[in-house]
Amino acid sequence: QKEVEQNSGPLSVPEGAIASLNCTYSDRGSQSFFWYRQYSGKSPELIMSIYSNGDKEDGRFTAQLNKASQYVSLLIRDSQPSDSATYLCAVTPSGGSNYKLTFGKGTLLTVNP
Amino acid sequence: SAVISQKPSRDICQRGTSLTIQCQVDSQVTMMFWYRQQPGQSLTLIATANQGSEATYESGFVIDKFPISRPNLTFSTLTVSNMSPEDSSIYLCSVAMDRGTDEQYFGPGTRLTVT
Repeated sequence: QKEVEQNSGPLSVPEGAIASLNCTYSDRGSQSFFWYRQYSGKSPELIMSIYSNGDKEDGRFTAQLNKASQYVSLLIRDSQPSDSATYLCAVTPSGGSNYKLTFGKGTLLTVNP
Repeated sequence: SAVISQKPSRDICQRGTSLTIQCQVDSQVTMMFWYRQQPGQSLTLIATANQGSEATYESGFVIDKFPISRPNLTFSTLTVSNMSPEDSSIYLCSVAMDRGTDEQYFGPGTRLTVT
């Protein structure tokens, strides 16, 4: 059973701080990695995808991937109260279809004004 | 990304009945999927909806319980059959766009409560 692990949180940070969200995965051959944001009562929204080792930046978001350590993270700079949500890490399996996303259980982030 | 709609947005159903959920996309997409998100849990893939052929189900999900149709490249339905309270969940469709990536985008979801 391929697994994706995240700290459930809640992770609480003050407004303006950096929020760091972490994810580990068990399938060493995974190739594609995604971060989704899910507000309470809403569906997941794709915010970042990363495929290669290293950092990928998009505005206030930075995704970091380390395939050797089977670790992917999301940094949110200058956190805002509107960033308060559950962040889901998702991974595609090795071999076969690249579309079968396996999700972690998510980390609840609270940004305090 | 595409605009994805689902109907109904929510429903309350009685045990033993069936509910069909519709997913409509505003552009043609190759891949459509159905997920379930049980209360307080993450998302679990139910099946891949294949256009013109039978859906591909994940372990633990069977066609008799979750029949799926995909008559064209913009539309799919998921039926939850012979419902029990354990089927109370949010059901989400997702699509993968034809852009050479495997990014998936989700519809707004259908919140189902079975009494």
